[in-house]
Amino acid sequence: NAGVTQTPKFQVLKTGQSMTLQCAQDMNHEYMSWYRQDPGMGLRLIHYSVGAGITDQGEVPNGYNVSRSTTEDFPLRLLSAAPSQTSVYFCASTKRSSQRSNEQFFGPGTRLTVL
Amino acid sequence: LAKTTQPISMDSYEGQEVNITCSHNNIATNDYITWYQQFPSQGPRFIIQGYKTKVTNEVASLFIPADRKSSTLSLPRVSLSDTAVYYCLVGDMNRDDKIIFGKGTRLHILP
Repeated sequence: NAGVTQTPKFQVLKTGQSMTLQCAQDMNHEYMSWYRQDPGMGLRLIHYSVGAGITDQGEVPNGYNVSRSTTEDFPLRLLSAAPSQTSVYFCASTKRSSQRSNEQFFGPGTRLTVL
Repeated sequence: LAKTTQPISMDSYEGQEVNITCSHNNIATNDYITWYQQFPSQGPRFIIQGYKTKVTNEVASLFIPADRKSSTLSLPRVSLSDTAVYYCLVGDMNRDDKIIFGKGTRLHILP
């Protein structure tokens, strides 16, 4: 299993540009989530999905959209990038019905800089 | 959602046992306590999860008192490679849709 994969690893955008951060998992996990982590800070939940076709907002959803058309993929879209969105973005997945129900598997992250 | 409070940072020395305590006064009956470890430039990694008393695995132990209002992650005989940020989370992803990370505890192991 590849686990949770994220692309790209690094990205530089100009203010106002849009882009999509890709996330995929091959573990058949129903729950997927996106977090952002600013320097020296903890992780903040952006959006999450409890299954294909279902998404909901986390702590800091403004400026981001998500969709979940398949179990495997959970892309995060930045509609109009702003310097405040400069951060490291992590995608995670979980099999909720397992014994370790709170175990999230994280991807390697995407480091985004908005100029 | 139960809120957690942890020390911002801790220092220890190689070979010592390190205990990191997390406070979660409003933990719900169905909530589990989960700890993650994060190295620089990496995503967090699950360490251990428990509901009550004591849980032990190959890397850590988790101690939970009877009232469950706090928990202690114990790392035996730490090495320099244990330098990381440790997060305490409270919730049950089988029931809750959101699990919130706090700011974590930055553990620095000295030689």
